[in-house]
Amino acid sequence: DTEVTQTPKHLVMGMTNKKSLKCEQHMGHRAMYWYKQKAKKPPELMFVYSYEKLSINESVPSRFSPECPNSSLLNLHLHALQPEDSALYLCASSPAAGGTYEQYFGPGTRLTVT
Amino acid sequence: QKEVEQNSGPLSVPEGAIASLNCTYSDRGSQSFFWYRQYSGKSPELIMSIYSNGDKEDGRFTAQLNKASQYVSLLIRDSQPSDSATYLCAVEAGSARQLTFGSGTQLTVLP
Repeated sequence: DTEVTQTPKHLVMGMTNKKSLKCEQHMGHRAMYWYKQKAKKPPELMFVYSYEKLSINESVPSRFSPECPNSSLLNLHLHALQPEDSALYLCASSPAAGGTYEQYFGPGTRLTVT
Repeated sequence: QKEVEQNSGPLSVPEGAIASLNCTYSDRGSQSFFWYRQYSGKSPELIMSIYSNGDKEDGRFTAQLNKASQYVSLLIRDSQPSDSATYLCAVEAGSARQLTFGSGTQLTVLP
């Protein structure tokens, strides 16, 4: 089973709202990732968690705050977003951190900031 | 120079033909290479990984890797309309050794 789940599927939020995206995997993977994908562009890495610790933050604005409560769960807390943050947010997991390992993506959360 | 380059297409092939998708990369230290398929409005789906020079076959898909030429390709035999999607090449690269994606090639298989 290579399933990564994400909720919600769609999210519309105002610029003053606070919301959270959730991701879960039960493959025993020890690395989890957040990517952002704009239309007709490739995924862009935002954060990497390895063994529940943040190992990479790709200079993401502080209005995005990741959290890894345990090895199966990954959250992305959103606050004071801008319209340009509207995108498909993808969670992925792999057996360990790094590009050597196969990464499996969840279905994504399509975020619209109004 | 971009780290991972793909022809953006669109690439159109007739049903039953072989579709050939190409990818070049700039990081000579890259050791891991992946192909993802992404249908419109969906998330990327891993279809092939390749780590050694040569060919790797999985059903109708064949990945080819040439590290000396810094080139990786994906062949899709007996293409079907259901293969119509954007194909993303991903390479382990950069100082953090994370996945770097190409811009993707849009493939259309015509019935």
